[in-house]
Amino acid sequence: GNSVTQMEGPVTLSEEAFLTINCTYTATGYPSLFWYVQYPGEGLQLLLKATKADDKGSNKGFEATYRKETTSFHLEKGSVQVSDSAVYFCALSDQRGEYGNKLVFGAGTILRVKS
Amino acid sequence: KAGVTQTPRYLIKTRGQQVTLSCSPISGHRSVSWYQQTPGQGLQFLFEYFSETQRNKGNFPGRFSGRQFSNSRSEMNVSTLELGDSALYLCASSFGQAGNTIYFGEGSWLTVV
Repeated sequence: GNSVTQMEGPVTLSEEAFLTINCTYTATGYPSLFWYVQYPGEGLQLLLKATKADDKGSNKGFEATYRKETTSFHLEKGSVQVSDSAVYFCALSDQRGEYGNKLVFGAGTILRVKS
Repeated sequence: KAGVTQTPRYLIKTRGQQVTLSCSPISGHRSVSWYQQTPGQGLQFLFEYFSETQRNKGNFPGRFSGRQFSNSRSEMNVSTLELGDSALYLCASSFGQAGNTIYFGEGSWLTVV
């Protein structure tokens, strides 16, 4: 079945450091890929998405590129801020209609940014 | 544009009781899905409803059920609550086509004592 593997955390960085959170997936066909972020005590917010190979999703300084050859969708940000501290989830959605519209999530990566 | 709205936000129940959680999707969205989030199991898919029909179901016992109304609003019910049902229950909505972006609500925090 479909699955998503994320790097384990927590990841602790100093403000303005470069961020990479690794995400790889296993899926039949060509899924859509997403990054969601969860701030303490809140639900999930969509951070960015990509729907086909070589697409780059970007939002709020975060970027991720859909790499079919390596089945990866790594999240990057050039300069993190304390306000980026949160849990980040990589997820995929099967493109095939018979599976409806559901997400398969990775375990989540806690990011802590120190000032 | 209003987001996905879930009620109640917080609730405490006793083992053996039942609970009903409510979700109002984004206007125009016909698909509503539910997820359970726990520290141990992470985010797990419960079920998805589209046009009042359950279209997809996760691997949860029959104590977990749901329904969707003609206005796309959805409820989920958990009967005979167990301590392990304590979790954040997240509702999400989308237009319902495979690959569409799925938007989440703030969640309902359920504590079973």
